[in-house]
Amino acid sequence: GESVGLHLPTLSVQEGDNSIINCAYSNSASDYFIWYKQESGKGPQFIIDIRSNMDKRQGQRVTVLLNKTVKHLSLQIAATQPGDSAVYFCAEVLNAGNMLTFGGGTRLMVKP
Amino acid sequence: EPEVTQTPSHQVTQMGQEVILRCVPISNHLYFYWYRQILGQKVEFLVSFYNNEISEKSEIFDDQFSVERPDGSNFTLKIRSTKLEDSAMYFCASSERPGWRPQHFGDGTRLSIL
Repeated sequence: GESVGLHLPTLSVQEGDNSIINCAYSNSASDYFIWYKQESGKGPQFIIDIRSNMDKRQGQRVTVLLNKTVKHLSLQIAATQPGDSAVYFCAEVLNAGNMLTFGGGTRLMVKP
Repeated sequence: EPEVTQTPSHQVTQMGQEVILRCVPISNHLYFYWYRQILGQKVEFLVSFYNNEISEKSEIFDDQFSVERPDGSNFTLKIRSTKLEDSAMYFCASSERPGWRPQHFGDGTRLSIL
C-alpha cells in the first residue's frame, strides 16, 4: 500500500539475517518493476528489476519476487548488512512507457 | 561507473523568482527524466524527454515548468515563477531507452523557496 508523509513502515533486522521488503503495486497492466534503495541525502539507487513475464529474478544478495495475481512485489536481501540500511522503494512502469510510479517506501534498519 | 550528476546540490530562491536546475545524464543515454520528492513523501514523476521533445508529463508539470537540452550533455528544468509548494528534492534520471531499462538517478537538487 501507499505511505504518505513521515510515517514510513519500518523493518528492523539483525545484521546477518535475511530481510524481506514488500510492495503492493497499483496497476495490473504494469509490465516492468524496479527496486530502488535511497540513502539519506542521495537519489534512488537501482538495485534490481523484473519484467512481468517473470516471477523471480536474482542478483547479488538480492532476489525479487513478482506475484501478478495479487499485484505484489517483494525484495529479499540475504545476510543483511549495516550498509543496507536505507529506504527501499518499488516502482512500476506501465506498458513499457516512460514514467516510473513509485510506491511509498519501507525503511530498513539493520542492527549490528 | 557512469553516473547522473546534478547541480547545484542546494538552491535557495525567493518566491516568484525563476530557477534553473541542471543535470548531466549518463553519456550514452537517450531518455531523460525529472522527478521530485517533497520531504517525507514518495518520488513523483514530472516529465520525460527524448529527441528534443517532451514525451510524457504529469499533472504537476504545468506551464510554470519547462525542460531543455541546451547542448549535447546538459538537461535542465526551469521553474518560471517559484511558489512555496515547489520546495522539494528534484531528481534527474536517464535511461538508454524507455520501458524495460532502469532509470538511473542523480543525487538531486534540494530546492528551498522562501
